[in-house]
Amino acid sequence: GEDVEQSLFLSVREGDSSVINCTYTDSSSTYLYWYKQEPGAGLQLLTYIFSNMDMKQDQRLTVLLNKKDKHLSLRIADTQTGDSAIYFCAESISDYKLSFGAGTTVTVRA
Amino acid sequence: DAGVTQSPTHLIKTRGQQVTLRCSPKSGHDTVSWYQQALGQGPQFIFQYYEEEERQRGNFPDRFSGHQFPNYSSELNVNALLLGDSALYLCASSPDGGLQETQYFGPGTRLLVL
Repeated sequence: GEDVEQSLFLSVREGDSSVINCTYTDSSSTYLYWYKQEPGAGLQLLTYIFSNMDMKQDQRLTVLLNKKDKHLSLRIADTQTGDSAIYFCAESISDYKLSFGAGTTVTVRA
Repeated sequence: DAGVTQSPTHLIKTRGQQVTLRCSPKSGHDTVSWYQQALGQGPQFIFQYYEEEERQRGNFPDRFSGHQFPNYSSELNVNALLLGDSALYLCASSPDGGLQETQYFGPGTRLLVL
C-alpha cells in the first residue's frame, strides 16, 4: 500500500456525514475502489469508480475523483453505528492487482 | 450463490513449518488473487492465477508459491515459515481473466506463526 495514502483515523457523530480521503500515485489506474473491513472479517467491496468519471453516487455513498490531483474521497451520509469499520482505498495496477492504502479506522460515536 | 470461500479460518504453525491455504472463487469467476494483510496494514498483493498459471507476482519471496486447479480453485503454499508471515491471508476472485470492475474477497485465513 505504499503508493496509496489515507489518514489513519476518523471520528464522527452518528447521523453526521463522514468523509474519508485518499491519494494515489498511478495515473494509469483504470478503477479506484473503496472496501470496508469489519473486525475479524475479510474485505467487502463498497463501491468503485471508473477513472473517466468524476463522481458516483450509490445510496448513502458518494465517491468523488479528482484525477488531476490523484485524490479520491468517500462520503457516507447519515453515518450509523454499523458504519464503524476500517475503510480501504485501492487503485488497480494493471489488470492484475490492487494496491491498497493502510486503511482509515472510522469510529461512530453516539 | 456462494461467494469466495477460504479454508481453514484460523491456523497456528511454528517457525520452519509449511502451510497450505485453500480458496474457492465466486461462481463464474476464473481468476484468483492472493493477498497478505499484516496487522494494522492494508493487503499486499502476493500473486494471481489464471488458466492454472501464475500470471503476475508481487514482492514476495519464492517461499510463497501457489497452484490453480481446473475448477478454478487455488492453493497458497508457504514454506519455511517465519514469524513475520503471521497475517490474514485473503483470496480474491474476478471474472473473465482479469480485474475488470470488481474483485471479490473471501473472509480470509488468519495464520499465526509461533
